[in-house]
Amino acid sequence: DIQLTQSPSFLSASVGDRVTITCRASQGISSYLAWYQQKPGKAPKLLIYAASTLQSGVPSRFSGSGSGTEFTLTISSLQPEDFATYYCQQLNSYSFTFGPGTKVDIK
Amino acid sequence: QVQLQESGPGLVKPSETLSLTCTVSGGSISSYYWSWIRQPAGKGLEWIGRIYTSGSTNYNPSLKSRVTMSVDTSKNQFSLKLSSVTAADTAVYYCARVMWGMDVWGQGTTVTVSS
Repeated sequence: DIQLTQSPSFLSASVGDRVTITCRASQGISSYLAWYQQKPGKAPKLLIYAASTLQSGVPSRFSGSGSGTEFTLTISSLQPEDFATYYCQQLNSYSFTFGPGTKVDIK
Repeated sequence: QVQLQESGPGLVKPSETLSLTCTVSGGSISSYYWSWIRQPAGKGLEWIGRIYTSGSTNYNPSLKSRVTMSVDTSKNQFSLKLSSVTAADTAVYYCARVMWGMDVWGQGTTVTVSS
């Protein structure tokens, strides 16, 4: 199975900050990586797919990069509505996997 | 636009089988992969499996022995069965459409395993 790790697991930041979250895969997954945002009590929302493609309707302050085993999600200027938990997911193998999540909290 | 709605019992007894259905509205179920995902309270997301509209399936190896997914294209529905449940299967269960990522999700349904 392909395992995903995320760092940091918790991040405290202020409005306007640039935030970067890293996702690492236990083996190469090409660009088959997606990022999701989840707020309490809500279903996850797709932000980025194919490692770097912005899902329709998602603000351009979100961006993704990487390929192979290391990926990043960047929020260029954190907004109040961005405080949430972020998950990466690999879709390379026949068994998809989610990362453990990164909670972004208000400093 | 496409919407998904999970349905099924909110309470299941230990050792019994959990059964959920996801109804697809606003679009056709055909020619897509569909997935089930679950999330225990306060924890992360766990992918359960996926099914194509042909009926082809892939399951999480950790759950494979207990999971069965099926699809009914005439009703625009797909289903999950999880057998021999324990308290560890208590979670919010989501269904989702799979493309390059999971782009459409249901609102989730809480299933509690308890006697």
